[in-house]
Amino acid sequence: QVQLVESGGGVVQPGRSLRLSCAASGFTFSNYGMHWVRQAPGKGLEWVAVISYDGTHTYYEDSVKGRFTISRDNSKNTLHLQMNSLRAEDTAVYYCARDQRIFGFGELCGYWGQGILVTVS
Amino acid sequence: QLVLTQSPSASASLGASVNLTCTLRSTGTTYAIAWHQQQTEKGPRFLMKVNRDGTYIKGDGIPDRFSGSISGAERYLTISSVQSEDDADYYCQTWGPAIRMFGGGTKLTVL
Repeated sequence: QVQLVESGGGVVQPGRSLRLSCAASGFTFSNYGMHWVRQAPGKGLEWVAVISYDGTHTYYEDSVKGRFTISRDNSKNTLHLQMNSLRAEDTAVYYCARDQRIFGFGELCGYWGQGILVTVS
Repeated sequence: QLVLTQSPSASASLGASVNLTCTLRSTGTTYAIAWHQQQTEKGPRFLMKVNRDGTYIKGDGIPDRFSGSISGAERYLTISSVQSEDDADYYCQTWGPAIRMFGGGTKLTVL
C-alpha cells in the first residue's frame, strides 16, 4: 500500500534552514507528482509546493517563493523540501502528499503522509 | 483568480444525511476538485475527486455513504447515514495554472 513517511522536522531559530524529506513506498514514485502541504496549529490546510512526476515543473505558494525549494530523487523514491530563511509563521505540521493522477503535473492530493512538526522559535 | 469558500461549521444527527458545500469562483477555466477528511489529531485522508461534469472517483476504502456532485459554482460532498466517525474537518481542494489551493475547511459535528 502507499506509504509516505516524513522526516527532518524539529525546532529551528528564525532565519535558519531546515530540510524535510519524505520517503515513498508502495507505488512507482517516478510516475506521480508530489506535494508539500502544511497546517499551522489550530488552522486549516495550506498548500506549499508541488513538483511534477519528472521534476521538470515546480510551483510554490507565494509566501514561500524564493525561500523554499521542492525537489525529488526518483532513484531513491524521496521527496525533499529545503526551507531557508525560516519565519515564525512557517511553524506548522508539514505533510507530503502524492498526486491523485498518474503522470500529472501535481494537481490534487491523493495520498497523505502522517506529517512532521516544524517549529520556528 | 481562484477562490474556494467553505462554511466554517455544519452539524448532522447520527444516521441523517448532510451536504457540505465548497463554492468555486474562477476568472478562468474551472477544474476538478478533491475532498479530504481530517479527523481530530490525524493527518488528512483523500475522499474523492469530483470532475467538472459531476462524476466522482473515490479513494481507496471510502465508504459508499460518501458521494460528490456539482451545481453551478457549488461543489458538494454528501454523507448519507452519518456515522460518529464522520465527525471531522472536511477540506475541498482545487488547482489552476501555477496554483493549488484548499478551502478553509468545514468542521462537521455529529450530534
